[in-house]
Amino acid sequence: EVQLVESGGGLVQPGGSLRLSCAASGFTLSNYNMRWLRQAPGGGLEWVSDISSNSKNLYYADSVKGRFTISRDNAKNSLYLEMNSLRGEDTAVYYCARGTMATIPNWGQGTLVTVSS
Amino acid sequence: QSVLTQPPSVSATPGQRVTISCSGSSANIGSNNVNWYQQLPGTAPKLLIYDNNQRPSGVPDRFSGSKSGTSASLAISGLQSEDEADYYCAAWHDSLNGPVFGGGTKLTVL
Repeated sequence: EVQLVESGGGLVQPGGSLRLSCAASGFTLSNYNMRWLRQAPGGGLEWVSDISSNSKNLYYADSVKGRFTISRDNAKNSLYLEMNSLRGEDTAVYYCARGTMATIPNWGQGTLVTVSS
Repeated sequence: QSVLTQPPSVSATPGQRVTISCSGSSANIGSNNVNWYQQLPGTAPKLLIYDNNQRPSGVPDRFSGSKSGTSASLAISGLQSEDEADYYCAAWHDSLNGPVFGGGTKLTVL
């Protein structure tokens, strides 16, 4: 069974940094592209970033480009999202997910990031 | 402001049929497949329909999807109380190199 478990969320001040992790199990992580998505409180879903299976191709939404960095460690079965220069509008539940194009069959349970002073 | 446009809410009574629309452009729905997600309160989204009209294993055939041009729709027949949830459409957007979503439609079963 595919399992994705996020961690690392919490309360951070504007301008601060946070690193999210996603532990993957039930499949061979190195065979799949992975992504992060987010959902603001009471809001809709937003794609954040994609990383190819070998980390050579990285893609970001315009809203996070230059501030967020996606990475992975296939040997540790883990996906990461380094978030810097955080803003209030980055407050959201962040989901780790496995999928292709817009078909996303596997989602983690999400981790809440709150940016507030 | 979401790239894909959905009605904010729809409602119907148990047993009825309801449809949710999703409107996009030639850069997303017009050139790529549409997917639908169901999100129950406090949970992660669940893939409900993929490739316009395909159901993953375990999704009841009461749920169906269709696409025409730059629009798509999700239909739910024989509505049940447990169908009360938020529904999102999604499609790949060619110039963004990522998926785009509708703003979500809250389905209320009266």
